Amino acid sequence: EAQVTQNPRYLITVTGKKLTVTCSQNMNHEYMSWYRQDPGLGLRQIYYSMNVEVTDKGDVPEGYKVSRKEKRNFPLILESPSPNQTSLYFCASSPTGRPNYGYTFGSGTRLTVV
Amino acid sequence: AQTVTQSQPEMSVQEAETVTLSCTYDTSESDYYLFWYKQPPSRQMILVIRQEAYKQQNATENRFSVNFQKAAKSFSLKISDSQLGDAAMYFCAYRNNYGGATNKLIFGTGTLLAVQP
Repeated sequence: EAQVTQNPRYLITVTGKKLTVTCSQNMNHEYMSWYRQDPGLGLRQIYYSMNVEVTDKGDVPEGYKVSRKEKRNFPLILESPSPNQTSLYFCASSPTGRPNYGYTFGSGTRLTVV
Repeated sequence: AQTVTQSQPEMSVQEAETVTLSCTYDTSESDYYLFWYKQPPSRQMILVIRQEAYKQQNATENRFSVNFQKAAKSFSLKISDSQLGDAAMYFCAYRNNYGGATNKLIFGTGTLLAVQP
């Protein structure tokens, strides 16, 4: 089944404790992206990657890191989480050259930073 | 910069009735795509319908249809014969028909739809 797999589904952590949210897709998509969803703000892009070793900032990149060492994986790293990073996070992927595709989304990670 | 606006934070509809969710967008581009996504309580993002800007005909998918007004930059979603399973958050989204950094999906703030039995 074509999908984007995101883990964990829920995560509670303490301020300052480094964490990684994993994302993997099996559709050979070049484009991958991370979003955060907050009430009243919709989904906002954190980082994106056009292909392996090619990443760039989205609209709200502060406090986050990403890497793209393999085409299928695009982990989101919070080096020192803070309570304002409590949010619902989505990983998504898309083939390049097909903007009509939209995205395939992961099932989301609910992160709480206390 | 492109923006997407959903002015209805919440809507309610009776089962079997019709409801229309509003979306407006701002762009200087002429070639782009518009989408409606559904997010039920499971949190999964589900593509409901898409519209290509260069097509004048409004897209339809079963009980879901859009009213695309390019000049007015309006893209509303009509749900006919509403069902309890339609209860969800609905997001309108925009995507340019170009590569690079402009290739991202830009989302509105969402409309929470309740369906009353």
